[in-house]
Amino acid sequence: DIVMTQTPLSSPVTLGQPASISCRSSESLVHSDGDTYLSWLQQRPGQPPRLLIYKISNRFSGIPDRFSGSGAGTDFTLKISRVEAEDVGVYYCMQGTQFPHTFGGGTKVEIK
Amino acid sequence: EVQLVQSGAEVKKPGQSLKISCKGSGYSFTTNWIGWVRQMPEKGLEWMGIIYPGDSDTRYSPSFQGQVTISADKSISTAYLQWSSLRASDTAMYYCVRGWGGDYWGPGTLVTVSS
Repeated sequence: DIVMTQTPLSSPVTLGQPASISCRSSESLVHSDGDTYLSWLQQRPGQPPRLLIYKISNRFSGIPDRFSGSGAGTDFTLKISRVEAEDVGVYYCMQGTQFPHTFGGGTKVEIK
Repeated sequence: EVQLVQSGAEVKKPGQSLKISCKGSGYSFTTNWIGWVRQMPEKGLEWMGIIYPGDSDTRYSPSFQGQVTISADKSISTAYLQWSSLRASDTAMYYCVRGWGGDYWGPGTLVTVSS
C-alpha cells in the first residue's frame, strides 16, 4: 500500500493568518492515465469528512477559494490563506491512484 | 442533490452478525463506485473496500479482505457492509463514500460491539 505522511500533526493558527499542511507519499501518485489522484478532506468536530480538493488543486463544489492545493509526484500541500473559526478540524490527504486508497494520519488545525 | 443516507447506530455483542446500509439518491447509483471507510474511536480514516453497483465489481483492501462483505442492490440504490461475526475491535464509525475519489460522504453509522 502507498503510505501517506502528513506534517505537522497539529497546527495552532491565529484567526486570519495562513496555515499550511504537507503530505508526502511513499511513491509517485501519477496514474498511468496521466492524472494525479491526490485529494484533501476536512473533518470538523463531530462531522463526517468532506472533500475539499481533488486531483491536487481542484476545489470541490462549494469550497471557499481560501483553500488551495499544490504539488506534484510525491509532495503535496494544502494552504488556507486566512483561517476562519469554521476551519477548525482535522485535515487528511488521500491518494486514489493505487488501490487500496490510503489516507494521511491527519493534521489538527486549531485556533491559538 | 447527491445524498447518501446511512442506517442507524447499532449495538451488538461479539460473535453476532450485522449488515449496515447506504442509500444513494440524486445521482446515477449504478454508474458510480461506492466505498466504505472505517474510523475507529479518536483515530484516522481507513479505506475498507469499494463496489461498482452496475456490475457488482468489488475490491477489498487487504486489511479487510475476508473480514467484511460489501454488496449492493441497484434496484433500490443501496450498498451494504456486513459482518458474519463481530469483534470488539469492529467498534467504529463507518462511512459510505461516493465515487472512486470519494466526493460525497454519508453521515456515518456508529457500530458498537460490546459484551
